[in-house]
Amino acid sequence: GAVVSQHPSWVICKSGTSVKIECRSLDFQATTMFWYRQFPKQSLMLMATSNEGSKATYEQGVEKDKFLINHASLTLSTLTVTSAHPEDSSFYICSASVSYYNEQFFGPGTRLTVL
Amino acid sequence: AQSVAQPEDQVNVAEGNPLTVKCTYSVSGNPYLFWYVQYPNRGLQFLLKYITGDNLVKGSYGFEAEFNKSQTSFHLKKPSALVSDSALYFCAVRDGFNKFYFGSGTKLNVKP
Repeated sequence: GAVVSQHPSWVICKSGTSVKIECRSLDFQATTMFWYRQFPKQSLMLMATSNEGSKATYEQGVEKDKFLINHASLTLSTLTVTSAHPEDSSFYICSASVSYYNEQFFGPGTRLTVL
Repeated sequence: AQSVAQPEDQVNVAEGNPLTVKCTYSVSGNPYLFWYVQYPNRGLQFLLKYITGDNLVKGSYGFEAEFNKSQTSFHLKKPSALVSDSALYFCAVRDGFNKFYFGSGTKLNVKP
C-alpha cells in the first residue's frame, strides 16, 4: 500500500514552453501533497504544500506564478512549470500524506530538462 | 528551527563490513526522525523512522538506527554491507506541521 506515482518520469522541453507534472496517490486518499525540487548532488528542497481543494502554500523564494500547483482531487496534484527556462531543469519529487500530520510517501520523481 | 546535518558527503565500506552513516539534528520539541534511501534517478524510499519508544529502531533491508538524545544523533547502521546498498542516503526531521527538512545526503559506496 501507500504508492505514489508521478507522470511523466522524464520530460524534455524547449525554453518558453510549459510543462505539467502529475502526482497521484494510487491506493489512498491524500489530503496533503508536497512538491520538492532536487538539484544534482543536492538535497531535496520543499517548494510548496498543497491541500485538496485549497490554494497551495509556497515556501519562501518559490515563485507561485512560475510553479502552478493544483490539488483538485484527493488522489491527484499537478505541478505546472510555466515558461520554462534551462535553470528550471531539475528533478521534481512529490509526496503525499493522508493528512497534514501523517506519514509522507514519496513519488519516483520527474526529471525535467529544458533546452 | 529544525535542521539536519550529515557530516559525511561519502562513506566507503567493503562488502561484509559494518556501515554507519551519521546524522545529527536540531529541533525544538520532540524529534520525528527519518532515514530515506535514493537510487539514481529515483524517488525516496523509506527505511525507518523514530517517533518515540526504543532508541534502537529497526527498518527495511537490515538497516537500523540509534536515537541518541544527549548527542542529538540518529546514525544509520547495518551490521554487514551489501554492494546493492550503494546509494544516496538522506536523514530527515519532521516538524509539527508535517514539513520535512532533509540533510544534504551521504553517498554510500560498498565495494566488493
